[in-house]
Amino acid sequence: DAKTTQPTSMDCAEGRAANLPCNHSTISGNEYVYWYRQIHSQGPQYIIHGLKNNETNEMASLIITEDRKSSTLILPHATLRDTAVYYCIVSETGANNLFFGTGTRLTVIP
Amino acid sequence: GAGVSQSPSNKVTEKGKDVELRCDPISGHTALYWYRQSLGQGLEFLIYFQGNSAPDKSGLPSDRFSAERTGGSVSTLTIQRTQQEDSAVYLCASSREGYVGYGYTFGSGTRLTVV
Repeated sequence: DAKTTQPTSMDCAEGRAANLPCNHSTISGNEYVYWYRQIHSQGPQYIIHGLKNNETNEMASLIITEDRKSSTLILPHATLRDTAVYYCIVSETGANNLFFGTGTRLTVIP
Repeated sequence: GAGVSQSPSNKVTEKGKDVELRCDPISGHTALYWYRQSLGQGLEFLIYFQGNSAPDKSGLPSDRFSAERTGGSVSTLTIQRTQQEDSAVYLCASSREGYVGYGYTFGSGTRLTVV
């Protein structure tokens, strides 16, 4: 079941920050927010995950609102290679599988 | 190996034939997952293996679908009497432990076309 809502598509200029929003208003206390992306003709790739604190790694930053009902994935300097479908997923860490919705198709424009 | 390996990368089969899809997970990963993705759609969970535990088969769409994992490593997804609606990309993923927190590593998938 989809626990997240994402825009269907977004554009971003190359070199600018890409901010991808996700709503998860029914998230429960023990559920994490995960982000994956899928570049055309490849399997999905793990990006980042978090519980309530903001997280940053070499790929992206994850900003989670204080009430945890929404989050934003930030790609600080988007490149053409970042064009992909980005999936926001909410799940307990003890869950057997992740539910991938239809995600946001991000197009980075030269 | 360095990543999750799936074979074949492409498979065209006639309706009614059986097919086998193979997945080699990352060495040491105890959890293995199968998903499928129809054209333009999100991923659909099929089955999950974790160590020696009984697999979670709750996502298999019909009894024509089955999967095995031998020796806790290689997995085979079998589709019997294929139908055109089985056409999709079948994706395999593995993870270090049997829960989602470690992140999945996906293979590149097998594109199945039933004609």
